[in-house]
Amino acid sequence: AQSVTQPDIHITVSEGASLELRCNYSYGATPYLFWYVQSPGQGLQLLLKYFSGDTLVQGIKGFEAEFKRSQSSFNLRKPSVHWSDAAEYFCAVGGSNFGNEKLTFGTGTRLTIIP
Amino acid sequence: NAGVTQTPKFQVLKTGQSMTLQCAQDMNHEYMSWYRQDPGMGLRLIHYSVGAGITDQGEVPNGYNVSRSTTEDFPLRLLSAAPSQTSVYFCASSYGSTWGTDTQYFGPGTRLTVL
Repeated sequence: AQSVTQPDIHITVSEGASLELRCNYSYGATPYLFWYVQSPGQGLQLLLKYFSGDTLVQGIKGFEAEFKRSQSSFNLRKPSVHWSDAAEYFCAVGGSNFGNEKLTFGTGTRLTIIP
Repeated sequence: NAGVTQTPKFQVLKTGQSMTLQCAQDMNHEYMSWYRQDPGMGLRLIHYSVGAGITDQGEVPNGYNVSRSTTEDFPLRLLSAAPSQTSVYFCASSYGSTWGTDTQYFGPGTRLTVL
């Protein structure tokens, strides 16, 4: 069965500091990997996604993620965070494994930015 | 485009009451789905639809019914509300033909409290 683990429930970062949010997945075939962001009181918005090709993926708002097959990871990074990045971040894994299509979300990481 | 819209934004029910959460999208997406979001559990799939007239159960379908009579609308019905259904509900839609691999577009959510 596919699964996603986000080991950090809550992370606090100073404004201007770098950020890395961890995501590990389990999937039996080629995974499709996503990062979504949920601002307070809002729905989820896609930050970036990886299907194939270059393992370093660029997304919106200055975020990037790196797919590492050997580590089953898809960590999200940003070189310098802004106060507006405070939100909850969800990693998700999906795919089309012999017609069994499914999308599984992680439990989320809440990001707090301090001045 | 309004995207994915949900009504109401907030709702309080008493145990045993019924209600329908509305979801509509104007992007001509074939795939629509309902998730519930609970603290520490991420998003869990309730029901989904791959097109008008076709619905299927997700991970946590008990206590919920859906129907899809048009491409645009995908209402979620709670037949007899229970306190365990207190949650934030998100509707999502996607365009492509492979549900597990496509970008999901989320509505703003409905916060439901069952007393």
